[in-house]
Amino acid sequence: NAGVTQTPKFRVLKTGQSMTLLCAQDMNHEYMYWYRQDPGMGLRLIHYSVGEGTTAKGEVPDGYNVSRLKKQNFLLGLESAAPSQTSVYFCASSYPGEQFFGPGTRLTVL
Amino acid sequence: AQSVTQLDSQVPVFEEAPVELRCNYSSSVSVYLFWYVQYPNQGLQLLLKYLSGSTLVKGINGFEAEFNKSQTSFHLRKPSVHISDTAEYFCAVTPAGSSASKIIFGSGTRLSIRP
Repeated sequence: NAGVTQTPKFRVLKTGQSMTLLCAQDMNHEYMYWYRQDPGMGLRLIHYSVGEGTTAKGEVPDGYNVSRLKKQNFLLGLESAAPSQTSVYFCASSYPGEQFFGPGTRLTVL
Repeated sequence: AQSVTQLDSQVPVFEEAPVELRCNYSSSVSVYLFWYVQYPNQGLQLLLKYLSGSTLVKGINGFEAEFNKSQTSFHLRKPSVHISDTAEYFCAVTPAGSSASKIIFGSGTRLSIRP
């Protein structure tokens, strides 16, 4: 039982490049989330999904897109990366009352 | 809407001393409350949670928290800290019964333990 996994662990992009972050969970959770963590700001919700085929905007959705084609996977895309998107990205999944987090992806945009 | 305030961004304490990390929340509805811990270069891990029932909640690693509805607080305590408790701690809130889809996190408190 791997829990929540994220790939890649690290990535460096140039401004304007695109990339996709992959999150996978093996706990059969309906809900999945993408957060970004910046110093002194806690975690901010980017997008979330309440089930396969559904997505919704969180607190800071601009510049990101997501897809949930399979229940176990939740993808976060950056179409045209900007330096302001330099951050640590966490994926989570949940059942009622608790969220489980992945180990994070550290993204640097130059 | 809910909000969470962690009153201290950093808390330095000596090893084996007691510690309290403060958390206040704001909500017009009943809430679930959580404390998460993040060790360096890792994801968040649940320490404890309050959903209902007893207001004193015990978690992992000897931590406990007390839900105080009148003061809208959920402070985290440990009677004697260890070097291994060095981490960042996040308080979080979500509307009760919401299936955790709208968890709001505080900005975090960095706990540093001095030998």
